Amino acid sequence: AQKVTQAQTEISVVEKEDVTLDCVYETRDTTYYLFWYKQPPSGELVFLIRRNSFDEQNEISGRYSWNFQKSTSSFNFTITASQVVDSAVYFCALGQAGGGYQKVTFGTGTKLQVIP
Amino acid sequence: EPEVTQTPSHQVTQMGQEVILRCVPISNHLYFYWYRQILGQKVEFLVSFYNNEISEKSEIFDDQFSVERPDGSNFTLKIRSTKLEDSAMYFCASSERSVGGELFFGEGSRLTVL
Repeated sequence: AQKVTQAQTEISVVEKEDVTLDCVYETRDTTYYLFWYKQPPSGELVFLIRRNSFDEQNEISGRYSWNFQKSTSSFNFTITASQVVDSAVYFCALGQAGGGYQKVTFGTGTKLQVIP
Repeated sequence: EPEVTQTPSHQVTQMGQEVILRCVPISNHLYFYWYRQILGQKVEFLVSFYNNEISEKSEIFDDQFSVERPDGSNFTLKIRSTKLEDSAMYFCASSERSVGGELFFGEGSRLTVL
């Protein structure tokens, strides 16, 4: 069975601080995909990044960076110099490979509040 | 930029009534999904749909639910005889690829059952 754990329910930081959102996953698949989605207060789900299980390179996109470590089954997300607009719920998700369809299992989300 | 659109954005219904939530996926996508998010909780998979049939459904997706692609563009979720616990945000998503493809989500339809 697939499982995604986001142990941090809520995090508050002061603007300009760095913050890391943790994600630990479980799967028996050797091929899988990992995602991060952002859900701002308006409610929509915004795609941030996709990673496949064969690509452990870390990625940086502006103030966002992701650290994928298969050895610890973790896919952590860091926001550098946080801004108030970063306030949202962030979901880590695991995509099941094979079977001809995509089934994504979401974590419970981490609510990030950036205080001005 | 192409997007998934959902209607209505919010629907209020009485318990026991039927509701239909509509979605227009991105035009060249072949894989369609419904997810549900009860307020304050995680996003849960309901069903995936490809080639005019259900690929997989979760345990949540019981006989009360059905999906349909009535024409070339719409993808609908029907909930028969709604219950209070059906109140949630329902997200439609589509993807170009079957596996590993980015899921493009619509903005959601909030269903409130009274």
